[in-house]
Amino acid sequence: DVKVTQSSRYLVKRTGEKVFLECVQDMDHENMFWYRQDPGLGLRLIYFSYDVKMKEKGDIPEGYSVSREKKERFSLILESASTNQTSMYLCASTQIPRSGYEQYFGPGTRLTVT
Amino acid sequence: AQTVTQSQPEMSVQEAETVTLSCTYDTSESDYYLFWYKQPPSRQMILVIRQEAYKQQNATENRFSVNFQKAAKSFSLKISDSQLGDAAMYFCAYRLNTPLVFGKGTRLSVIA
Repeated sequence: DVKVTQSSRYLVKRTGEKVFLECVQDMDHENMFWYRQDPGLGLRLIYFSYDVKMKEKGDIPEGYSVSREKKERFSLILESASTNQTSMYLCASTQIPRSGYEQYFGPGTRLTVT
Repeated sequence: AQTVTQSQPEMSVQEAETVTLSCTYDTSESDYYLFWYKQPPSRQMILVIRQEAYKQQNATENRFSVNFQKAAKSFSLKISDSQLGDAAMYFCAYRLNTPLVFGKGTRLSVIA
């Protein structure tokens, strides 16, 4: 089974802190994604990566950055956390994005910024 | 840009009954993929069913089936014999050459 894991299920940080959200997949997928999920807004794409050291902006990249140093790991970084970044963050991976291949999701990290 | 619309923020169904969740999308392409994902409370998002646009036959997976109307750009999900475990957020999604584009979701409640 594909497994996508995220470093924390719940995280509480203070405004202005630098926050790292880690995601690891164990199926050798080249493609990884970070989404933000908010009630009434669905899932919105923050960043994605098609290969190591490669990144592409999604729909809402402002205030975020990412790092992909190894194929299995994709990190989301909040350079200076703000209260409007309180949300559920979902990581996902897939074998081939331009296809009907399933996109597998991690369990999510619920981040609260106070 | 492609958009996906789920017009029902919340729905409910009696156990053992049938419910249909609506989804429409906007695209000028002819060959793409559509998905329904399920997110149970506090649990991981999982794939329910997928449809390839060039296939006219509607996809089915056990109690789950879709009504794919390509000309109308409609992709509804039918859940038959609803069970308590079907209670979840359901997301419709579209893919062409980009990451999945999701609708805002429909929260389904199942009443015992």
